[in-house]
Order: sequence, then C-alpha cells, then structure tokens
Amino acid sequence: DVKVTQSSRYLVKRTGEKVFLECVQDMDHENMFWYRQDPGLGLRLIYFSYDVKMKEKGDIPEGYSVSREKKERFSLILESASTNQTSMYLCASSPQGIYNEQFFGPGTRLTVL
Amino acid sequence: QKEVEQNSGPLSVPEGAIASLNCTYSDRGSQSFFWYRQYSGKSPELIMFIYSNGDKEDGRFTAQLNKASQYVSLLIRDSQPSDSATYLCAVNDPQGAQKLVFGQGTRLTINP
Repeated sequence: DVKVTQSSRYLVKRTGEKVFLECVQDMDHENMFWYRQDPGLGLRLIYFSYDVKMKEKGDIPEGYSVSREKKERFSLILESASTNQTSMYLCASSPQGIYNEQFFGPGTRLTVL
Repeated sequence: QKEVEQNSGPLSVPEGAIASLNCTYSDRGSQSFFWYRQYSGKSPELIMFIYSNGDKEDGRFTAQLNKASQYVSLLIRDSQPSDSATYLCAVNDPQGAQKLVFGQGTRLTINP
C-alpha cells in the first residue's frame, strides 16, 4: 500500500525557532514536494525535488529550505519561524512522468506563536 | 503565472442528484488532469485522472476533458452525503516537469 508519512500531525513552535518537518515515502518515488495550504489560497508549492540532493524552488520558497539526502526522505526547514508560517504543511511524492498522480501525506498543522 | 480556476462554492446538491464541478486552466500545453477529494482536516486523495479529450467514467464519477476549451469537469452521479468534501482540480505544468498546478478547490455539500 502506498504510504507517505510526516513526522508530526500537530506542532506548536515559537517565533524565531528553527523548525524541521520530515516526510518519508516508501514507494521509491523520484519526486517529492512540499506544499502549504491556507484557507482561500489553496495548495501552494514551496519546494520540490526530482532526485537525491536535487531541489527546486516552488512558488513561495521564501523563509524555507529543504534537504533530500536519501531518496525516501524530504525535509522542510523553517530557518526562523514566523507567525505568518502558521499553516497546514503537506508533503507529496510521485514517480517520474507527467501522467502520474501525487500521493499526499497526512499533513502537519504548524502553529507559530 | 499558470492558473487553474475553480468556483470555490459552496456548492449544495440534494442527495441522489448529479453534482457538477468545473475547472478551467490557462496553459494549452497541459496534458494531464487530476481530480482530488479532500475531506475537512484530511489530505487530498486522487479520485480521477484524465489525459484524453472526452469522458472517462469510474463508478459514480465521470471526468470530462475539452482541451480546445481548456476545460475539465467532474460529475458525481447519485450524490451521497459522504461525497461532501472539497474537490481540487490539478493540472500538470508543461514547463515544470512533473509539477502540478492546483485550483483553489470547490466545497461540495450533499444535503440528505
């Protein structure tokens, strides 16, 4: 069964803290993605990766960085959390090819106080 | 900026009726189209995909694609209360390799 897992379901952090969100997929997918989802704004792509150690900026990369040291793991890093980064963060993965769906993890609801 | 437009709703449909969800996209080069369902507090899950013009049916769901009009739709027949969710349309980004561009979603409510 296809599986994408995220390290935390809920997370509360303070302004200025460094935050790590981890995503693991067990499907041997090449592509991995980080989105944030906010009411009225839909899903917005933060970063994505086509391969180990490869990363590409999405639509809203400011304030975020990523790491992909292993094929199955894609980490999102908030270098210095701010209140406007309070959001639902969704990780997804997909095999190579434009005809392939993305599989989503359960999401991490991050609150920055 | 590539765009995928959906009516945000809410769309209210009586139980047993047909729910019709619509989506338009801006880039003529897009080749793959996906419909995701997202229940409140949950992550999106794929329910339909379509690549060719015309209709594709899967159970109570039918996806329709018209590339000339840059229009894709999802029909849900015999709507059930369990179909109440937000439906996201996603389209591949032709310049972005395997990226998808998502619409904002249509919130659908099925009334018993």
